[in-house]
Amino acid sequence: DQQVKQNSPSLSVQEGRISILNCDYTNSMFDYFLWYKKYPAEGPTFLISISSIKDKNEDGRFTVFLNKSAKHLSLHIVPSQPGDSAVYFCAATFSGGSNYKLTFGKGTLLTVNP
Amino acid sequence: GAVVSQHPSWVICKSGTSVKIECRSLDFQATTMFWYRQFPKQSLMLMATSNEGSKATYEQGVEKDKFLINHASLTLSTLTVTSAHPEDSSFYICSAALSGRGKNIQYFGAGTRLSVL
Repeated sequence: DQQVKQNSPSLSVQEGRISILNCDYTNSMFDYFLWYKKYPAEGPTFLISISSIKDKNEDGRFTVFLNKSAKHLSLHIVPSQPGDSAVYFCAATFSGGSNYKLTFGKGTLLTVNP
Repeated sequence: GAVVSQHPSWVICKSGTSVKIECRSLDFQATTMFWYRQFPKQSLMLMATSNEGSKATYEQGVEKDKFLINHASLTLSTLTVTSAHPEDSSFYICSAALSGRGKNIQYFGAGTRLSVL
């Protein structure tokens, strides 16, 4: 049972335009959500996170939106740059737990074309 | 952000030998670290949770005698792949948890590419 789903395996956008990456979750216990960026043969890099008490968190070109009722979150990158081309993983966790485990989606490959 | 160092980045070994991978949190203390494995074009698969001063917790299907984990200090966890075989060839990634004030963020090392001949 996949608790975090990234239904789009890939996304292609033009440089300068907005990239929107989507993520859905099924476990209502999740209350903290993260986005990671990963290049091939490297570890994931933390990008941005959001707590369930918020519906939006912004950091520079990156904004994460959370819709709790729909159990859906999205990552907006604007403007998109060629260097943003990577695999993006959505992850979720329960911040009140003691094991700190993250549940990852399968990732979305973003390609930003010059 | 917090920095996690993983070493070595790439190792080639003969079948039957053991390989040790180190994971260090450089600028923070991590009571909990994690070890993942990534197969080509797939997501991260959690192998085990490493807790400082106690035994690791392994995910279902992961052989604890095959993948030995030691978390001897608040900044260091090691993964030893014992008697490695070609099917153990993979990309192994560690992370360290930084949590508090309603946050729970894992910071990842750069990964180790293991090739068993």
